[in-house]
Order: sequence, then structure tokens, then C-alpha cells
Amino acid sequence: SQKIEQNSEALNIQEGKTATLTCNYTNYSPAYLQWYRQDPGRGPVFLLLIRENEKEKRKERLKVTFDTTLKQSLFHITASQPADSATYLCALRTSGTYKYIFGTGTRLKVLA
Amino acid sequence: NAGVTQTPKFRILKIGQSMTLQCTQDMNHNYMYWYRQDPGMGLKLIYYSVGAGITDKGEVPNGYNVSRSTTEDFPLRLELAAPSQTSVYFCASRDELTQYFGPGTRLLVL
Repeated sequence: SQKIEQNSEALNIQEGKTATLTCNYTNYSPAYLQWYRQDPGRGPVFLLLIRENEKEKRKERLKVTFDTTLKQSLFHITASQPADSATYLCALRTSGTYKYIFGTGTRLKVLA
Repeated sequence: NAGVTQTPKFRILKIGQSMTLQCTQDMNHNYMYWYRQDPGMGLKLIYYSVGAGITDKGEVPNGYNVSRSTTEDFPLRLELAAPSQTSVYFCASRDELTQYFGPGTRLLVL
């Protein structure tokens, strides 16, 4: 069956460290994989997109990697800050469709 | 530029009642989506639209209906509310690659 999985347990890290979040999928061939940030009581906000033929994307302190062999994407936040505390969702879209499939999200807490 | 707006923010319904969740976007996007999010869960796609007059079912369409008469508006209709429809509902619109979400409607069915 098709699945997209994120670590459901919260991730606590110390300020200044690098946070690494994982998104694994099975039985999909995604054309795009996206990462979103969601704060409590708010809608998700788009952060980064990576295509199937890309290995890595960066934006300021954020980095996303995409390994289609391992069927995994990693999302890194370097020099993390308490303001980075939120839930991070991954979502994929397969080619030829308009639908997005979301993971359950990982809650990140950056400790001052 | 307001982006995606949703009304109401919060609503309590009794079992069997009906209501319409409103969604409007001002970015002239063709693609629009309705999701529901249950506590601790990801977003589940209810319905989506690729343009005015065209809608299709997502993963969890049962108990819901949609229409898309204009590019801007994509209302979601609950005909006979059930406790299982207690959730937070998000509307989104999409440009070439990115989805833009509204602030959500929290619905409680008692």
C-alpha cells in the first residue's frame, strides 16, 4: 500500500544545533516533494520544493535532500532558533496528478 | 492581496445539520483544494478543482460536496453533519508548484 511517513514523535533540540527531519514514502513515484511549516491554529506555509531529478535544495538556513532510491527526503534547519519550533509537514505529488499526499508531520521544539 | 480566506473560523453543528464552508482566493489560481486535518494527523484531501466548473474527489469525499462556479470561490458543503466530521478544514489554492493555505475552519459536530 502507499504510505508517506514522518516521525510522529516530537523532536527536541538545543538552540544553535541542526535539526534533521525525515520523510519516507513507499509505493509512490513522486514528481515533487514539498516541505511545509505549520504553527498551532494556522494553515501550513510552504517552505521548499524539490523535484525528482534534484538531489538537494537550499534556502537560507533550510536544506532539503531527496533520495529516490531510498525513497526518502531529509529536511535540515541549521543554526536552529526557538522561533523554528513548529510542526513540519512533507507532501508529495506524483506526475500526471493534481493531488498532494501529506505526511502526519513532525513537531520540532528548539530549546533556548 | 488577501491570499486565501476562509469563513467561518469556528462553528458548532448539531448532528444532521448542514452548512457551507466558504473559501475565496484572490490570486487567480486555477487549482483549489479542500483538506481536513484531525488532531495529530496530516492533511487528508477531500475534494479539489482544476478550474471553474471542474471538480474531483480526493481521499475522503464522503459526506461532502463542492462546487466551483468562479475562479475565486470554492465552497465546501456538509449536508448531514456527523460527529466524524469534527475536524479542522483547510482550503488551499495553487500556482505552478506551491500551495497557499487559508487559516482554517474549526468544526465541531455534537
